[in-house]
Amino acid sequence: AQSVSQHNHHVILSEAASLELGCNYSYGGTVNLFWYVQYPGQHLQLLLKYFSGDPLVKGIKGFEAEFIKSKFSFNLRKPSVQWSDTAEYFCAVGGYQKVTFGIGTKLQVIP
Amino acid sequence: DTEVTQTPKHLVMGMTNKKSLKCEQHMGHRAMYWYKQKAKKPPELMFVYSYEKLSINESVPSRFSPECPNSSLLNLHLHALQPEDSALYLCASSPSGTTSYNEQFFGPGTRLTVL
Repeated sequence: AQSVSQHNHHVILSEAASLELGCNYSYGGTVNLFWYVQYPGQHLQLLLKYFSGDPLVKGIKGFEAEFIKSKFSFNLRKPSVQWSDTAEYFCAVGGYQKVTFGIGTKLQVIP
Repeated sequence: DTEVTQTPKHLVMGMTNKKSLKCEQHMGHRAMYWYKQKAKKPPELMFVYSYEKLSINESVPSRFSPECPNSSLLNLHLHALQPEDSALYLCASSPSGTTSYNEQFFGPGTRLTVL
């Protein structure tokens, strides 16, 4: 069975601060990794994904994530957050036939 | 059209009622999903349809009955629900039947309250 662990449930940052959200997964096979974001009042949408190749993945809005196989991690980063990044962020792992979501991290960016 | 639409937005039902949730996409996607999301929890997979056939049922109680009449439409029929079934029900779709490889496109959800 696959599982995902997100370490920070609620993060508060000031604008221009750097962001790193932790994500660890557990799955025995070839893994596909995702970060989804849900802005207030909006649908869940894909931020970025990793299937294979370069372990440093770039997504929309200046976000990136690094897949470290030895640590079973897929942490999300952004060098300088903006107020508009306030949202809930979900890490997800795709195993055989299905995707499992982490519990989510609420990010609040203070102007 | 890159949207997944869901109706109704809100639904309140009694434990003896029968109701249905509807999900529609016109992106030509061949996999569609139902998720349940309780407050402060992640989405939990309920059902997956791949090429209009039920491919995954995550041991969901029979009071939830999915139906995929065609490649664009997914229904969730509800009967004799319990108050603990109150949640946000999300529909999603993805391009192919290989569900773990593709981005999923989510609808806004139906907020269900069971009295």
